[in-house]
Amino acid sequence: EDQVTQSPEALRLQEGESSSLNCSYTVSGLRGLFWYRQDPGKGPEFLFTLYSAGEEKEKERLKATLTKKESFLHITAPKPEDSATYLCAVQPVYGQNFVFGPGTRLSVLP
Amino acid sequence: DGGITQSPKYLFRKEGQNVTLSCEQNLNHDAMYWYRQDPGQGLRLIYYSQIVNDFQKGDIAEGYSVSREKKESFPLTVTSAQKNPTAFYLCASNEQGRGELFFGEGSRLTVL
Repeated sequence: EDQVTQSPEALRLQEGESSSLNCSYTVSGLRGLFWYRQDPGKGPEFLFTLYSAGEEKEKERLKATLTKKESFLHITAPKPEDSATYLCAVQPVYGQNFVFGPGTRLSVLP
Repeated sequence: DGGITQSPKYLFRKEGQNVTLSCEQNLNHDAMYWYRQDPGQGLRLIYYSQIVNDFQKGDIAEGYSVSREKKESFPLTVTSAQKNPTAFYLCASNEQGRGELFFGEGSRLTVL
């Protein structure tokens, strides 16, 4: 069964304190791995797509990396506006559906 | 601006009532999805549609129904058969079922 787990469940950082969020996945074949940001009471907003092990994508203070079993979202020198829930999802090669992880709730304190 | 519009944003329902959540997109996407989000859980797929007049059940379709009469529209009806309907509902779309999902702002349903 395709599965996605994320850790930690919640993370509190001081402004400027870099850290990483983990997304571990089990899938029969990976078509793509996706990272989203979700603010409270809003729909998720797309951040990155990764397709193959070794791939990296960057956007401002965020960098996503991918291995054969997990993905990391690295946050460098975060600011309070980076506070949100970060969702990871995989799309298997076979099938239409996406499998979502439960998310990591990030709080960045000033 | 292109995007997905969900309405209403908040909805209260009495037990035994059916309610319909609206989802409209102007992105010209073929595929549309409905997800349910509960605290501490990943998004769970209710229904999806890849083409007009066709849709498939997701993982938790029981107690829900959909229609896809137009490419732009994919309404979700939460029926009285849904045992625990209080949740945050998200509509999404993508191109031909591949690539990143574009989400609406969500609809929060509360059953009184």
